[in-house]
Amino acid sequence: SQTIHQWPATLVQPVGSPLSLECTVEGTSNPNLYWYRQAAGRGLQLLFYSVGIGQISSEVPQNLSASRPQDRQFILSSKKLLLSDSGFYLCAWSRGTGANVLTFGAGSRLTVL
Amino acid sequence: GQNIDQPTEMTATEGAIVQINCTYQTSGFNGLFWYQQHAGEAPTFLSYNVLDGLEEKGRFSSFLSRSKGYSYLLLKELQMKDSASYLCAVRSSTDSWGKLQFGAGTQVVVTP
Repeated sequence: SQTIHQWPATLVQPVGSPLSLECTVEGTSNPNLYWYRQAAGRGLQLLFYSVGIGQISSEVPQNLSASRPQDRQFILSSKKLLLSDSGFYLCAWSRGTGANVLTFGAGSRLTVL
Repeated sequence: GQNIDQPTEMTATEGAIVQINCTYQTSGFNGLFWYQQHAGEAPTFLSYNVLDGLEEKGRFSSFLSRSKGYSYLLLKELQMKDSASYLCAVRSSTDSWGKLQFGAGTQVVVTP
């Protein structure tokens, strides 16, 4: 069976500090990978998606970036965090075929102070 | 782009039925999904509709009318553990690799 791991679960960072959130998927190959953000009381906003190693598409302009160094690894980064970067970050994967159901990781709650 | 509308909150009694409506506008439709999200947790997949009609999964059913841009999620025999946010999400036919646009979610509160 497939599993998705995401860490860290919680972090508090000062404004201007860097960020790295990591996500890995097990039990499948060549998954589609996604980073979503959910602000308090808001819907899920798609930040980045990837259909293969080194292939990253950005949905919204921001000071975040994503990388996919390995087939089942997806990393969300920032060089300098802003207050507005606070939120609940969710990594997800899908097969890329059929119904393409998204399966989410447990999420990372980021508070920027 | 897509506009997805669903009510902000609904309250119902344990054992009752609740229907959560979702309307959407999209340039091309290729599937509608419902997810459940408990507070502080990740969303979990509930149902998928791509053709008109009703899909039933135990206590949960989902309906789709593509011509009306309308779906609903029906929760029957409500239990306290059903208190959660329910997210409607739509996939556009122009997004061949499966990108979803989510609504803001409907918070369902189940009372004793």
